[in-house]
Amino acid sequence: DTGVSQDPRHKITKRGQNVTFRCDPISEHNRLYWYRQTLGQGPEFLTYFQNEAQLEKSRLLSDRFSAERPKGSFSTLEIQRTEQGDSAMYLCASSFMVVRETQYFGPGTRLLVL
Amino acid sequence: GQQLNQSPQSMFIQEGEDVSMNCTSSSIFNTWLWYKQDPGEGPVLLIALYKAGELTSNGRLTAQFGITRKDSFLNISASIPSDVGIYFCAGLSQGGSEKLVFGKGTKLTVNP
Repeated sequence: DTGVSQDPRHKITKRGQNVTFRCDPISEHNRLYWYRQTLGQGPEFLTYFQNEAQLEKSRLLSDRFSAERPKGSFSTLEIQRTEQGDSAMYLCASSFMVVRETQYFGPGTRLLVL
Repeated sequence: GQQLNQSPQSMFIQEGEDVSMNCTSSSIFNTWLWYKQDPGEGPVLLIALYKAGELTSNGRLTAQFGITRKDSFLNISASIPSDVGIYFCAGLSQGGSEKLVFGKGTKLTVNP
């Protein structure tokens, strides 16, 4: 069983550009999560999907951020008009919630906004 | 918002020593997870705890879910150089939210 994969692993962009990240969860996992991690901090929750429905969004997710999970499989996270403060590691996690919740993380996408 | 207090912030130990770190919260959690993160990588799940008082081992790692449901600890016995990394606790609270709340991590350095 392959783990969670994320693409790209690294992204450097100029302020004001749009970027899109992709996450492929563990197959058959019905829940998918996005987190953001800055240096010296633990990951912070951004949003999560159950199948294709986006069920919760953090206040950290400004209007410039949008996430989708068409068909309940892979997910994309888009950041429009990037700002230097968006520089961070963006982590994706997935889980298969039956009775007990356990989230498995991907390797992350490190974003640097110049 | 919810916060987890994780301590110590960093540890410097000799190979072969045992390590203990813990997490406390002002809120009740119904799941505690412990992760290890290497530089430039995502967190890797080490141990999951689902029940107050639960004590679970994974090789040299042992973790416990506190009776009050507001704390958890992780022990590593007989540390080895590859234990180096940042260890995070994460909690999942009652009440319907599915987001994990993370501590700030414990950075472990093991001197050979």
